[in-house]
Amino acid sequence: AQSVAQPEDQVNVAEGNPLTVKCTYSVSGNPYLFWYVQYPNRGLQFLLKYITGDNLVKGSYGFEAEFNKSQTSFHLKKPSALVSDSALYFCAVRDPLSGGYNKLIFGAGTRLAVHP
Amino acid sequence: KAGVTQTPRYLIKTRGQQVTLSCSPISGHRSVSWYQQTPGQGLQFLFEYFSETQRNKGNFPGRFSGRQFSNSRSEMNVSTLELGDSALYLCASSSLGGRGGNEQFFGPGTRLTVL
Repeated sequence: AQSVAQPEDQVNVAEGNPLTVKCTYSVSGNPYLFWYVQYPNRGLQFLLKYITGDNLVKGSYGFEAEFNKSQTSFHLKKPSALVSDSALYFCAVRDPLSGGYNKLIFGAGTRLAVHP
Repeated sequence: KAGVTQTPRYLIKTRGQQVTLSCSPISGHRSVSWYQQTPGQGLQFLFEYFSETQRNKGNFPGRFSGRQFSNSRSEMNVSTLELGDSALYLCASSSLGGRGGNEQFFGPGTRLTVL
């Protein structure tokens, strides 16, 4: 069965410091991995994805993520956090072998709080 | 290009009633998926439509149904509403049918409150 774990409910970071939001996954095949961000009273916004290729993926707003197959992880990172990055972040996975087409399995979400 | 639109944005219903939510995907997108977001269960997949056909369905009771029209617009219906159906319902569209490697673009959601 496919699953995603975001082990931290909340991450607190000072503005200007690097941030990491953790994600681990479990799928039967090679995963498609996604990060989304949700601001209050808004839908989800796509940040980046890993399908294949380079393990380091760069996305929107200066975010990047590193795919690590041996550790089944896909952690989201940013070198220098902004207060405006404060939001709810979701990791999601799709197993292309499952026949689930666009069905995404989401983690529980991690609330990122960036303090001035 | 206009984003995914969902109507209405807010709904208040009472138990036992039924509700219909609407979603208009990004122009050219043929895949529409629906998700339910609650504080307790998080984001859960409801179903996906592609070219008017339901391709996949999540683990929800039969009270939850949907359809897609020839212009790719989609509706979902919940009958015999229960208090636990209170949630943010999100619609997402994606280009092509693909193997799911395309990112999905989400609408702002419909906040359903069941009293």
